Amino acid sequence: DIQMTQSPSSLSASVGDRVTITCRASQSIINYLNWYQQQPGEAPKLLIYAASSLQSGVPSRFSGSGSGTDFTLTISSLQPEDFATYFCQQSYSTLPTFGGGTKVEIK
Amino acid sequence: HVQLQESGPGLVKPSETLSLTCAVSGFSISSGYYWGWIRQPPGKGLEWIGSIYHSGSTYDNPSLKSRVTMSVDTSKNQFSLNLNSVTAADTAVYYCARRGSGFPQSIDYWGQGILVTVSS
Repeated sequence: DIQMTQSPSSLSASVGDRVTITCRASQSIINYLNWYQQQPGEAPKLLIYAASSLQSGVPSRFSGSGSGTDFTLTISSLQPEDFATYFCQQSYSTLPTFGGGTKVEIK
Repeated sequence: HVQLQESGPGLVKPSETLSLTCAVSGFSISSGYYWGWIRQPPGKGLEWIGSIYHSGSTYDNPSLKSRVTMSVDTSKNQFSLNLNSVTAADTAVYYCARRGSGFPQSIDYWGQGILVTVSS
């Protein structure tokens, strides 16, 4: 299985802050990397696909970058509705695997 | 607008079979995509259980040691999951979802999730 490691596991930030979350794959996944946002009690929502493509309807303050094994999700100016948990997921292999999640909390 | 809705019992006894169904609306399962199941134990991360194509071909997570059976009913536009010999470790929120069949195979639609507790 391809292991996905996210860091940090949690962070505290203020509204307006720039936030960066990293995700590392245990082997090259080219750009088969997707990011999801999960609000408490809700299903995950697709934010970014193919490492850097913004899903329709997702605000432009979200962006993704990276290729190979190292990827980042950036929120350029954190908004109140962005406090949530974020997961990366590789779709390179037949068995999709997820990172452990990053919980973004209010400072 | 694509919608997925899980249904099934919220409580299953140990050693029995967990059975869930996902009803799809706004999109025909026969039109393509992989239809999958993902679970999330309380307070933990996400685990891919398996997926099925409209043709009936399936792939399930080897870590579940062949306890998984999936089926699709195109006439009802729904698909189903059976997980046998359950234990407390199978307690989780179970999501059904749609996964792209071409690059990049992201999961673009999810059901709301159903909590299944394994307990006697």
